[in-house]
Amino acid sequence: AQSVTQLGSHVSVSEGALVLLRCNYSSSVPPYLFWYVQYPNQGLQLLLKYTSAATLVKGINGFEAEFKKSETSFHLTKPSAHMSDAAEYFCAVSEGAGNMLTFGGGTRLMVKP
Amino acid sequence: EAGVVQSPRYKIIEKKQPVAFWCNPISGHNTLYWYLQNLGQGPELLIRYENEEAVDDSQLPKDRFSAERLKGVDSTLKIQPAELGDSAVYLCASSLGGSKGTEAFFGQGTRLTVV
Repeated sequence: AQSVTQLGSHVSVSEGALVLLRCNYSSSVPPYLFWYVQYPNQGLQLLLKYTSAATLVKGINGFEAEFKKSETSFHLTKPSAHMSDAAEYFCAVSEGAGNMLTFGGGTRLMVKP
Repeated sequence: EAGVVQSPRYKIIEKKQPVAFWCNPISGHNTLYWYLQNLGQGPELLIRYENEEAVDDSQLPKDRFSAERLKGVDSTLKIQPAELGDSAVYLCASSLGGSKGTEAFFGQGTRLTVV
């Protein structure tokens, strides 16, 4: 069985500040891990993915995430927040290519001017 | 390249009425998913298709929900009869499947309101 926990349902940062969104997972097999972003009334857009290659993964819009097996974590970071980053972010785990995604509860990122 | 297309975007129905959602996946994607997203929560899988075969429908409430993917391309998800608690966003996603594709691409969703 697989599960995802996202610590902090709401995160607020100032424009230009570091963004850190936390994700911990459990999986019975080596996982595939994903971060998706969802803007209001939109579907989910893939930010980045980890599929057992490099542990530091770079994605779109300046985001990156690091896979830490010992901590079962896959936290999402961005050095400098933009107003346009305000959205809902979901971490997800899969136990194989094409398998179902199990999502965390999401973290709403708010960016203050 | 066109993404995953869902229709309608919004639907309001009275309880006990039937409703259907349609999804057209990305061309060439063998795997198709339907997810349910309640307000303020992450999506939860309802059903997964590999081509026309439903390979994971354990979370689909079969007493009122049904789905089909004829010819392994488009898919429809039906609720009959709808209940107030079915109000949510229904997301369709597709992926290449197998070892060729690890990520799922999502449509914009259908927001269902049952009154």
